[in-house]
Amino acid sequence: AQSVAQPEDQVNVAEGNPLTVKCTYSVSGNPYLFWYVQYPNRGLQFLLKYITGDNLVKGSYGFEAEFNKSQTSFHLKKPSALVSDSALYFCAVRPDTGRRALTFGSGTRLQVQP
Amino acid sequence: NAGVTQTPKFQVLKTGQSMTLQCAQDMNHEYMSWYRQDPGMGLRLIHYSVGAGITDQGEVPNGYNVSRSTTEDFPLRLLSAAPSQTSVYFCASSSNPGLAGHEQYFGPGTRLTVT
Repeated sequence: AQSVAQPEDQVNVAEGNPLTVKCTYSVSGNPYLFWYVQYPNRGLQFLLKYITGDNLVKGSYGFEAEFNKSQTSFHLKKPSALVSDSALYFCAVRPDTGRRALTFGSGTRLQVQP
Repeated sequence: NAGVTQTPKFQVLKTGQSMTLQCAQDMNHEYMSWYRQDPGMGLRLIHYSVGAGITDQGEVPNGYNVSRSTTEDFPLRLLSAAPSQTSVYFCASSSNPGLAGHEQYFGPGTRLTVT
């Protein structure tokens, strides 16, 4: 069975500072990894994905994520945080074959202080 | 494109009542799914469908039914509502992922309270 761990319920960062939201995963076979963001009272929006290739993936709104196979991690990063980045972030995984359903982590709330 | 739409936005039910949450997409996506979101638990998959006429259970299917008679629609039925089904429900769709992965498009959600 696949699983995702987001070890931090909340991450606080000052505007202009770099941010990291952590994600580790477990899956049989090769992983497809995703980050989604949820703003208050909204559905989830896709940020970026890792399928294969370059371990550093760039996505929407200046976010990027680094895939590390040996550490089974897929941390979300941004060089300079904005107050508008404050939201709930979800990491998700599925294997590259078999069932297509995504397994989501429990979410990390990012709070960017002005 | 309206994307993924869900109705109603809010609903209050009494224990034992039944209802259907509606979900529709206009992107001709084959894959559709229903999730529930509870605090501290992320999103959990209830049921999903890989095409019209084909559905399968997810992680938490008990108490819910689905059917997929058209590509566009994927309703979720609560047979006999229980307080444990109080949650926010999201419908999502995506194109055939093939071998390239896929991103899912989410609806705005339905907030359900069962008293």
